[in-house]
Amino acid sequence: GQQLNQSPQSMFIQEGEDVSMNCTSSSIFNTWLWYKQDPGEGPVLLIALYKAGELTSNGRLTAQFGITRKDSFLNISASIPSDVGIYFCAGLRRDDMRFGAGTRLTVKP
Amino acid sequence: IAGITQAPTSQILAAGRRMTLRCTQDMRHNAMYWYRQDLGLGLRLIHYSNTAGTTGKGEVPDGYSVSRANTDDFPLTLASAVPSQTSVYFCASSAQWGGGGYTFGSGTRLTVV
Repeated sequence: GQQLNQSPQSMFIQEGEDVSMNCTSSSIFNTWLWYKQDPGEGPVLLIALYKAGELTSNGRLTAQFGITRKDSFLNISASIPSDVGIYFCAGLRRDDMRFGAGTRLTVKP
Repeated sequence: IAGITQAPTSQILAAGRRMTLRCTQDMRHNAMYWYRQDLGLGLRLIHYSNTAGTTGKGEVPDGYSVSRANTDDFPLTLASAVPSQTSVYFCASSAQWGGGGYTFGSGTRLTVV
């Protein structure tokens, strides 16, 4: 069953605010990924992390691979309306990729 | 435009009917996957294929079957649909098994009544 605990489940923020969400697991993963899903579309890869402790940025997005390999977080700085969507974490090990249940982000102009 | 095409976009299906969801990719990716997405549960793997000619069971395979006759196509079949199979189904692919960066299709919304 589900092995990734993603929080928060939903967030309502004001445009311009920073956002932080995280994913934890009882198991070790070799790769952590963060996806964004827009309504009516499939998830799109935002950031991939391959090493424990790795900190990677993609524009206003920053993600980190936890040192224990059991967690990861995603930060979005200076949010804008188009950041609205569902953000999923995913943990990958040799033969298995698991997804978190998602964080639904709403940005109020 | 390279990517994954899923069909149909949506479908209402009577319980007990057989249904095949189609998935085609043009990226020559070796690995392909089928996920179902349900509210509060995220994405759960149904079946996968490491390469053409091979398939494997994921987390929730019961009631579904797949085939991988060639690199590009990975159809998902519901032999006898049940209401609990109402979900949004996503096909995905990656260059290699375990490669991480999946490309997803736009999904098929299936309602079994």
